[in-house]
Amino acid sequence: DGGITQSPKYLFRKEGQNVTLSCEQNLNHDAMYWYRQDPGQGLRLIYYSQIVNDFQKGDIAEGYSVSREKKESFPLTVTSAQKNPTAFYLCASNEGYSNQPQHFGDGTRLSIL
Amino acid sequence: DQQVKQNSPSLSVQEGRISILNCDYTNSMFDYFLWYKKYPAEGPTFLISISSIKDKNEDGRFTVFLNKSAKHLSLHIVPSQPGDSAVYFCAAEDAGGTSYGKLTFGQGTILTVHP
Repeated sequence: DGGITQSPKYLFRKEGQNVTLSCEQNLNHDAMYWYRQDPGQGLRLIYYSQIVNDFQKGDIAEGYSVSREKKESFPLTVTSAQKNPTAFYLCASNEGYSNQPQHFGDGTRLSIL
Repeated sequence: DQQVKQNSPSLSVQEGRISILNCDYTNSMFDYFLWYKKYPAEGPTFLISISSIKDKNEDGRFTVFLNKSAKHLSLHIVPSQPGDSAVYFCAAEDAGGTSYGKLTFGQGTILTVHP
């Protein structure tokens, strides 16, 4: 059954720590995306990747880093430089062409201890 | 600079009636528009989309209307069901740009359908 898997569902981080959120897809999609959702706000794009070994900053990339070493994986690291990391993080993918919907995972909720 | 706006944070509708969710955009380069539905603690689910060459697209109970001159789109749900209660996001893509597939989202509208 094809889809996007995000893990873990809930994640807690201590101040000053880096933490990595996992996103795996078996849809054979070329493009992958990371969004952040805060209460009462829409989804804001953090990073996206249209092909393996290439990625671009989105609208709110500061304090985050990504890698795209494999087509099916696009992990997001929330670094200690991100001053307000508590949020709901969503990963998405699509074929990367225009006029194609993105398909989302079920998200990871990150909280600061 | 909010390029996609959903000005109604919430909407309450009686079961069986029509739900109309609205979305406005400012970027005239947007040419592909989508609606997503989201339940709490889950990822958004794609509902329906429309290309700028059309003014209407229908899929079952869901119809999206696009008014390019007004830079406005709307989602109609008829008839509304309690299971439709969720947050609805509109999104837009500038397909003519170099970032294929990159979407800009509105803030979302919470739809509540009462039995």
